[in-house]
Amino acid sequence: GESVGLHLPTLSVQEGDNSIINCAYSNSASDYFIWYKQESGKGPQFIIDIRSNMDKRQGQRVTVLLNKTVKHLSLQIAATQPGDSAVYFCAENRGNTPLVFGKGTRLSVIA
Amino acid sequence: DTGVSQNPRHKITKRGQNVTFRCDPISEHNRLYWYRQTLGQGPEFLTYFQNEAQLEKSRLLSDRFSAERPKGSFSTLEIQRTEQGDSAMYLCASSGEAGEIEAFFGQGTRLTVV
Repeated sequence: GESVGLHLPTLSVQEGDNSIINCAYSNSASDYFIWYKQESGKGPQFIIDIRSNMDKRQGQRVTVLLNKTVKHLSLQIAATQPGDSAVYFCAENRGNTPLVFGKGTRLSVIA
Repeated sequence: DTGVSQNPRHKITKRGQNVTFRCDPISEHNRLYWYRQTLGQGPEFLTYFQNEAQLEKSRLLSDRFSAERPKGSFSTLEIQRTEQGDSAMYLCASSGEAGEIEAFFGQGTRLTVV
């Protein structure tokens, strides 16, 4: 079936290094892809989104890359900080249908 | 307005009891969503409202689950005859006309059924 999933369930990085979190999707009809950050005990927080007709979008310290050929999405976090430690979810938006979330990757930043 | 507010933050109930959760969205948002999240999983969509109209409820997990938004402002999610499998985090989100793409989430209500 169609799904949004993640390659790695956990990721540990040294403070100051760059982090890359990956996501694979299977529905090429999606309109948007969205990355969320969820800290312990909190609801998901929107980080950045990208339209399906784009390849790259940059925000503050974050970059999302979309490779439609291989149906792959990544979130790059520059100069990772301890406050970046959280679970990161990619989600897929297909018009008026509900968001489909992936399983999540836990990012741990080592000081 | 400080964002989406959910109450209670935590709820422990005995199996078979009914529970009701409340969500107060961001005041200018006309769309409101309910999700369920279990440990290690992403949020799972349950239902959503545009103003007071419930536009999608086929994803509610069973007929024990129901949601209301009577005046188009706050919403309640009720679970009747709770089961241990209902233990999860219940998240509410709200958005404007742009839809889920710009949805803001509350901090959730964690339900534990014992």
